[in-house]
Amino acid sequence: GQQLNQSPQSMFIQEGEDVSMNCTSSSIFNTWLWYKQDPGEGPVLLIALYKAGELTSNGRLTAQFGITRKDSFLNISASIPSDVGIYFCAGQGAQKLVFGQGTRLTINP
Amino acid sequence: DAGVIQSPRHEVTEMGQEVTLRCKPISGHNSLFWYRQTMMRGLELLIYFNNNVPIDDSGMPEDRFSAKMPNASFSTLKIQPSEPRDSAVYFCASTWGQNNSPLHFGNGTRLTVT
Repeated sequence: GQQLNQSPQSMFIQEGEDVSMNCTSSSIFNTWLWYKQDPGEGPVLLIALYKAGELTSNGRLTAQFGITRKDSFLNISASIPSDVGIYFCAGQGAQKLVFGQGTRLTINP
Repeated sequence: DAGVIQSPRHEVTEMGQEVTLRCKPISGHNSLFWYRQTMMRGLELLIYFNNNVPIDDSGMPEDRFSAKMPNASFSTLKIQPSEPRDSAVYFCASTWGQNNSPLHFGNGTRLTVT
């Protein structure tokens, strides 16, 4: 079945640093989504990408839909304490939505 | 603007007992999904409904698991009998349409089976 490889699995950074994470797949996807999950809550949608090559920003967050349709990245600029959490990529192809394993972000003040 | 509502938030039960998890999707959404999240396996799709009809239940682990959606505003996931390996966080999510529409998740039910 379709699988996503999300990296890194965890990140430990200083407040103010930029963050970059990505997802790759051997399968082609029509949609890439990025979610964030805080402790004790469900994943919340951050950015949705629907077109190969699309670059979309949401505040300090920027995500891109890879031109090959097999990858996507998420960047966070000037990280702040509330950015702490687990970030998931998700790809939608012909079949069901597939989630990556998540990137756990920890920020040292 | 109410999101996806799940109950209970936490459930602790003994092995062998029946467990019922409940979900109210966002009003107007016509697709509903049940996911299970564990450290080892991440987010796994169990089953999803479109217009109250089960479309894909291939992710349901065993016959002990069953899900129903009697109407557009309510769904249940039942485990009978429960086992310790069922311990996980169970999420319900809803969306409009079937493909390419972002899912909106509830806050989950944390199930512990002792």
